[in-house]
Amino acid sequence: DAGITQSPRYKITETGRQVTLMCHQTWSHSYMFWYRQDLGHGLRLIYYSAAADITDKGEVPDGYVVSRSKTENFPLTLESATRSQTSVYFCASSQVAGYGYTFGSGTRLTVV
Amino acid sequence: DQQVKQNSPSLSVQEGRISILNCDYTNSMFDYFLWYKKYPAEGPTFLISISSIKDKNEDGRFTVFLNKSAKHLSLHIVPSQPGDSAVYFCAASEGNTPLVFGKGTRLSVIA
Repeated sequence: DAGITQSPRYKITETGRQVTLMCHQTWSHSYMFWYRQDLGHGLRLIYYSAAADITDKGEVPDGYVVSRSKTENFPLTLESATRSQTSVYFCASSQVAGYGYTFGSGTRLTVV
Repeated sequence: DQQVKQNSPSLSVQEGRISILNCDYTNSMFDYFLWYKKYPAEGPTFLISISSIKDKNEDGRFTVFLNKSAKHLSLHIVPSQPGDSAVYFCAASEGNTPLVFGKGTRLSVIA
């Protein structure tokens, strides 16, 4: 089915571990985004990508790494997870950067 | 420095009445504004948008008003329904740059 899918839906990891959140879209949208949602902060942009092999930092990039070797995939890696990275992570895609986003269902990550 | 502000964390409205959600912004270069709706355990979904060249956009029960001089926009829902209970995010963009979101307002529509 066409759409944007995130995996896993839920993840518990330990402090210091590396964890990768996956995002896959089937529309061939140029842009993909990672946001985190935290109480009191709303949605904050972590990283985004305008095309394969083109990525850029958002508002809160520290502690995260992204890659985009294929247009349809945009994984987000926490290299050494910290408790402050406990959050709900949303991936989105669009054809342009400024509107038309479609979001995935989110990954709830808990770092213990 | 928060560029998009939703100063009301929550709002309760009776079914059938009007819901008014407010949003303020500080960046005068924003030229496109959107509202997203989010239910628990789901991703945000697009609701309605408005370009900076307009001051009103309507879609069924939902109307967005833009006051550029006050750097303020509002979302009106008339009449409010229990299914409208959700978190509403205001968002804005400047040219072809990523959306900046507010903190969200939780709307509860009471039957």
